[in-house]
Amino acid sequence: QVQLVQSGAEVKKPGASVKVSCKASGYTFTGYHLHWVRQAPGQGLEWMGRINPNSGGTEYAQKFQGRVTMTRDTSISTAYMELTRLTSDDIVVFYCARESWDDRSFDSWGQGTLVTVSS
Amino acid sequence: EIVLTQSPGTLSLSPGERATLSCRASQSVSSSDLAWYQQKPGQAPRLLIYGASSRATGIPDRFSGSGSGTDFTLTISRLEPEDFAVYYCQQYGSSWTFGQGTKMEIK
Repeated sequence: QVQLVQSGAEVKKPGASVKVSCKASGYTFTGYHLHWVRQAPGQGLEWMGRINPNSGGTEYAQKFQGRVTMTRDTSISTAYMELTRLTSDDIVVFYCARESWDDRSFDSWGQGTLVTVSS
Repeated sequence: EIVLTQSPGTLSLSPGERATLSCRASQSVSSSDLAWYQQKPGQAPRLLIYGASSRATGIPDRFSGSGSGTDFTLTISRLEPEDFAVYYCQQYGSSWTFGQGTKMEIK
């Protein structure tokens, strides 16, 4: 079955960077786009961007341009999302999600990674 | 950017009742590229409906979606205890955006 397993919770200082991983299994990693979604505690979902694991091509939400980098390692079926210049607004859960092959909704999600920014 | 506005913000209903959730887009959503997700506390979202009206794999038939253009609806015909959660709509016709969510709570 399709599984997306994310790395564990992190605590970072303001101004630092965080890199979250998303390991895929149960399907062909290079066959589906992977997206990253942010959610602040008690708040809604915010799309950050996506990566094409086959080509490495990326598309980022304008809000995160210049601060986010999405990469992948096809040899281990893992995608990464790095966010720089963290602030207290970045106390959030990050999710990776797989884009469905026949439309562009998200048919599978990782379990989420909590990132806390604290001095 | 297409902005999605969900209403109501909170819906208080009892098990067995019918739920109707609304999602309105700031501009027309192409090809009915709209999805609905369910999220329970401490869990990732789960895809319920895609293409405005198609149920995702394993989703019970009490969940149905309808609408086109700028107005979309998620209907739950008879609420089960496990349906009390937060529901989000998402458009993917022009990049990707989510609504702010509707919280379904037990009355």
